[in-house]
Amino acid sequence: EAEVAQSPRYKITEKSQAVAFWCDPISGHATLYWYRQILGQGPELLVQFQDESVVDDSQLPKDRFSAERLKGVDSTLKIQPAELGDSAMYLCASSLGVTNTGELFFGEGSRLTVL
Amino acid sequence: AQTVTQSQPEMSVQEAETVTLSCTYDTSESDYYLFWYKQPPSRQMILVIRQEAYKQQNATENRFSVNFQKAAKSFSLKISDSQLGDAAMYFCAYCSSLEYGNKLVFGAGTILRVKS
Repeated sequence: EAEVAQSPRYKITEKSQAVAFWCDPISGHATLYWYRQILGQGPELLVQFQDESVVDDSQLPKDRFSAERLKGVDSTLKIQPAELGDSAMYLCASSLGVTNTGELFFGEGSRLTVL
Repeated sequence: AQTVTQSQPEMSVQEAETVTLSCTYDTSESDYYLFWYKQPPSRQMILVIRQEAYKQQNATENRFSVNFQKAAKSFSLKISDSQLGDAAMYFCAYCSSLEYGNKLVFGAGTILRVKS
């Protein structure tokens, strides 16, 4: 069964360091999402791609976060420099398109701990 | 902006029993979608059930059903014949039919524990 792949599963870093997360969506899924899930809270959308284009990054802290999906397939989310408050689970999800069916397919997530 | 509230941080149920998870939401829109997602420990989140706001009939998926009260802006999930595999974090989510893309607004989640 096709799944959304994410790596690394776990990342421990010191504050002020750079960190990157990778996501490979389900083949054929044009829409890709990065969510941040702080412990005890629900996921919050950071950025949404339609193919290689960003369609919503209004909640992405652009001074330190960046995201790209150069060929419209896999995507990378980068944080530089990392801060203590960035400790969270970073979830990648994909969907076939942008019609609002709401069915997103999630990866297992990348758990970041900033020391 | 839409908000989703799950007032039960944690719930417990005995195996084979029934449990109801609560969710309320706030929106000024009349057309939208509501969802329950399940996030098992260390595994990916999956869609459990979906409800379109324009449909009066409550959605059902096997042992899972919802009680959708549009006027009250309430959307609860009932799990019948609970199984050990139902233990997970459950998120209620809202999706506007007006905004571009499947942008989900999630509640804070409810941890469901199933006792054998």
